[in-house]
Amino acid sequence: NAGVTQTPKFRILKIGQSMTLQCAQDMNHNYMYWYRQDPGMGLKLIYYSVGAGITDKGEVPNGYNVSRSTTEDFPLRLELAAPSQTSVYFCASSLMTGAYEQYFGPGTRLTVT
Amino acid sequence: AQTVTQSQPEMSVQEAETVTLSCTYDTSENNYYLFWYKQPPSRQMILVIRQEAYKQQNATENRFSVNFQKAAKSFSLKISDSQLGDTAMYFCAFMKLATYNTDKLIFGTGTRLQVFP
Repeated sequence: NAGVTQTPKFRILKIGQSMTLQCAQDMNHNYMYWYRQDPGMGLKLIYYSVGAGITDKGEVPNGYNVSRSTTEDFPLRLELAAPSQTSVYFCASSLMTGAYEQYFGPGTRLTVT
Repeated sequence: AQTVTQSQPEMSVQEAETVTLSCTYDTSENNYYLFWYKQPPSRQMILVIRQEAYKQQNATENRFSVNFQKAAKSFSLKISDSQLGDTAMYFCAFMKLATYNTDKLIFGTGTRLQVFP
């Protein structure tokens, strides 16, 4: 059981470039989430999904897009990268919502210069 | 909107001692959940303990326990017999019970805990 995996671990982008952060889970979880963590701050929700084909915006969705074609995968797309998107990105999943534990991936450190 | 406040940016404790991390939150909701997550230097977020607001009894997980004061909107974490492996950032998080769709975790800014030998 690999849990939640994320690739890449690190990435440097130039302003205006695009990229996709990959996230996969092998726990058959319905719910998946993308968070960003800025220095000295807690995590903020970007997008989430309650199942394959269903996604919705979180607290800070601008500049990002997601898709969920399978239960296992939940990629995050950055279009036209900006310095404000420099952050650490975490993917998470949970079986259900509420008090169910969210399992986090190891994170992707992204720098936009 | 819900907010979570952790007023202690940094704390330190000697190995085997007890330390308490503070967390307050603001909400008008009656049904919600509270969590403490640990983020060690490896960056991996790990759930430490959770509390359902409708339960009056404080949650306990081995050396970790909470003091949940619903009226005061306070949710502190006590770590007993501190170990070097407890060195990490600790985040308090709030989740309201949504009527549909998904519930969202709201995180505080974290407390950095250093355990000294």
